[in-house]
Amino acid sequence: NAGVTQTPKFRVLKTGQSMTLLCAQDMNHEYMYWYRQDPGMGLRLIHYSVGEGTTAKGEVPDGYNVSRLKKQNFLLGLESAAPSQTSVYFCASSPHISGVATGELFFGEGSRLTVL
Amino acid sequence: TQLLEQSPQFLSIQEGENLTVYCNSSSVFSSLQWYRQEPGEGPVLLVTVVTGGEVKKLKRLTFQFGDARKDSSLHITAAQTGDTGLYLCAGEETSGSRLTFGEGTQLTVNP
Repeated sequence: NAGVTQTPKFRVLKTGQSMTLLCAQDMNHEYMYWYRQDPGMGLRLIHYSVGEGTTAKGEVPDGYNVSRLKKQNFLLGLESAAPSQTSVYFCASSPHISGVATGELFFGEGSRLTVL
Repeated sequence: TQLLEQSPQFLSIQEGENLTVYCNSSSVFSSLQWYRQEPGEGPVLLVTVVTGGEVKKLKRLTFQFGDARKDSSLHITAAQTGDTGLYLCAGEETSGSRLTFGEGTQLTVNP
């Protein structure tokens, strides 16, 4: 019962380095999301996807890129990491239910990224 | 982006006490979800409320959606140490398929 799996779970980067976070879901969900969580700020949406091959910007997209080449995978990329991107990143997926725009979100366990 | 404000941000109580967490906005939401998050894990859905004025009960937890669909509350009766965690409200925007999260309420229930 994997659900939503994020890799890696921990990573330390130096300023200017690049990296990719991988999210995989095995529930055949249409929608996938990337959030970042910082103390006292809840979860903020970075990018999301409503289907394979489509992506859209969320609340805080700057400095991040995403791709959804396969329905089950949603990749989050940092081209040139900055200390302000130190955070815990959560991937989530949700089913598309006719008549309901946003169903229950199923979250991964998070990826803790530190940028020095 | 529609904003959601949660209060209080931190709450520390004794086992057996009652508490209420509030989630407020100046915007109308199509629906509102409540999540609970434990350390090192992702949030897990507790409930979704859809209709203005709706009240849902989940054992000792009571959730209410405001009549105008701009606010919500979570009431816990006779709190237990197992209720400790971060409680997050999330509103579904009327304009699209995305959720806006509040800042969260960190609840600590002491034995």
